[in-house]
Amino acid sequence: GQNIDQPTEMTATEGAIVQINCTYQTSGFNGLFWYQQHAGEAPTFLSYNVLDGLEEKGRFSSFLSRSKGYSYLLLKELQMKDSASYLCAVRDSNYQLIWGAGTKLIIKP
Amino acid sequence: DVKVTQSSRYLVKRTGEKVFLECVQDMDHENMFWYRQDPGLGLRLIYFSYDVKMKEKGDIPEGYSVSREKKERFSLILESASTNQTSMYLCASSLEGWASTDTQYFGPGTRLTVL
Repeated sequence: GQNIDQPTEMTATEGAIVQINCTYQTSGFNGLFWYQQHAGEAPTFLSYNVLDGLEEKGRFSSFLSRSKGYSYLLLKELQMKDSASYLCAVRDSNYQLIWGAGTKLIIKP
Repeated sequence: DVKVTQSSRYLVKRTGEKVFLECVQDMDHENMFWYRQDPGLGLRLIYFSYDVKMKEKGDIPEGYSVSREKKERFSLILESASTNQTSMYLCASSLEGWASTDTQYFGPGTRLTVL
């Protein structure tokens, strides 16, 4: 079966750095997405990786290792507004998105 | 900016009622999707459509149907609502085809409670 694993919840301190991991087992791979979802709101796109390596976008970076079936989202200089759930999704060989359950990130002052 | 709107943010229905959830996007996107989101589970795809009048079953289509009569509008129908259909329903759209970088844009969601 297809599976995406992420930690259920993480806590970090304002101003710090946090890494949210995502491991996947899917039938084929056509890219990995990270979305952010604030409580009660719609998910919004953060990043996309299809090749191995690090993609940097401001305070957020996303890393992919296809051979390991592994990705992480790195958030730097954490702000209170970063408190949200972070969803990892993989596009499989049928170009369908397989979604993880999401990681709830709690930022403390 | 892409805008995806859903007809209701909150909806309460009774078991056995027919329920319509409407979704409209304003960016001429080809693809539209209906998901449900439940605590502890990832988004689960109910149905999707890649063109007007076209529909494809997702992972959990049982108990649901869809309609896409116009490009901008994609409706989800619960023929006879049941309590296990209490959930958050999210609509999404994406530009076209299956381009690798094709991002999905989501509506605000409808929280449906079936009593």
